[in-house]
Amino acid sequence: EAQVTQNPRYLITVTGKKLTVTCSQNMNHEYMSWYRQDPGLGLRQIYYSMNVEVTDKGDVPEGYKVSRKEKRNFPLILESPSPNQTSLYFCASSLYRTRETQYFGPGTRLLVL
Amino acid sequence: EDQVTQSPEALRLQEGESSSLNCSYTVSGLRGLFWYRQDPGKGPEFLFTLYSAGEEKEKERLKATLTKKESFLHITAPKPEDSATYLCAAGRSNDYKLSFGAGTTVTVRA
Repeated sequence: EAQVTQNPRYLITVTGKKLTVTCSQNMNHEYMSWYRQDPGLGLRQIYYSMNVEVTDKGDVPEGYKVSRKEKRNFPLILESPSPNQTSLYFCASSLYRTRETQYFGPGTRLLVL
Repeated sequence: EDQVTQSPEALRLQEGESSSLNCSYTVSGLRGLFWYRQDPGKGPEFLFTLYSAGEEKEKERLKATLTKKESFLHITAPKPEDSATYLCAAGRSNDYKLSFGAGTTVTVRA
């Protein structure tokens, strides 16, 4: 089954404790992206990747890091989480040529205390 | 600065009562306008892509249209299963970013 998986689905952590949210897709997609979704603000793009070792900032990259060492994986790293990073996070992937036809993961709900 | 604005924020419909959702955009060099559906607790699901003014796309009871400044998602004779949040997004031709609106939450009562 074609899918995008994220782990963990729910996470409660404390300020400053480094964490990683994993994202994996099994569709051989080149393009992958991370979003955060907050009430009233909609989905905002954090980082995206056009292919292995090629990443770029979205609209809200501050406080986040990403890496793309393998085509299928695109982890999101919060080096020192803060309460304003409490949000619902989505990973998405697509073929490069149809990058707006994105397949989204189920989401990761993060609470930073 | 690019902006994508959706209205209304929420829409309550009776089953069979047709209506339209609006997505206005200010994007330099629009590559395309995209509609997604999001069910509670799930990630968005792709619906349509519109690339040029005057273009229309249809899927079951949904029809999306595009002008130079806005897009409409028309819901014809909706059913309760059409209840969801509908998101529109704009992609730029000069980079690979995608800007989403805040969404319109549609509730269809039987």
